Amino acid sequence: AQSVTQPDARVTVSEGASLQLRCKYSYSGTPYLFWYVQYPRQGLQLLLKYYSGDPVVQGVNGFEAEFIKSNSSFHLRKASVHWSDSAVYFCAVSGSNNRIFFGDGTQLVVKP
Amino acid sequence: GALVYQYPRRTICKSGTSMRMECQAVGFQATSVAWYRQSPQKTFELIALSTVNSAIKYEQNFTQEKFPISHPNLSFSSMTVLNAYLEDRGLYLCGARPGVQNTLYFGAGTRLSVL
Repeated sequence: AQSVTQPDARVTVSEGASLQLRCKYSYSGTPYLFWYVQYPRQGLQLLLKYYSGDPVVQGVNGFEAEFIKSNSSFHLRKASVHWSDSAVYFCAVSGSNNRIFFGDGTQLVVKP
Repeated sequence: GALVYQYPRRTICKSGTSMRMECQAVGFQATSVAWYRQSPQKTFELIALSTVNSAIKYEQNFTQEKFPISHPNLSFSSMTVLNAYLEDRGLYLCGARPGVQNTLYFGAGTRLSVL
């Protein structure tokens, strides 16, 4: 079975600073990896996904993530955060069974 | 783009009663639909995965007797929370998968409160 660990429940950064949200997954096969974002009182929006190929994937709003197989990681990055990026970010993993499992989420707080 | 609508957005039901929620895929054919629950202060738990022409697969701790799901065509699914109690409150999300992609696109969810 697959699982996801997001070790940081909350991350606070200043506007304009760079960001990294950590994600580690557990899956014995080839994973499909995702980052979703949940804004207050809303559902989930897809930021980016990795299936294969270039391990660095670009997403919406300047986000990117890097798949590092040797480390079982899929950290999310952004060069310069904006106050509107404040939200909860979920890393997710899926395998060949098409079931997607989410981590516990990381709440991002961007200070002005 | 892929759009998923859920209805209702919010609902309140009395303890012990049932509540049905709907999920509509617009602009694409949803070959599979996954239902999730986000309980207060928690992550998203997979309830079940429904794939066209296959049996609906429920995760551990979730049963068809409690959360019956209908997936009659490639654009619509519904789920009912039977005999709802406090522990059933939360945000219920429907994720629809277009074609053979592995990506789920989510609706805004149905928020269930139980009195």
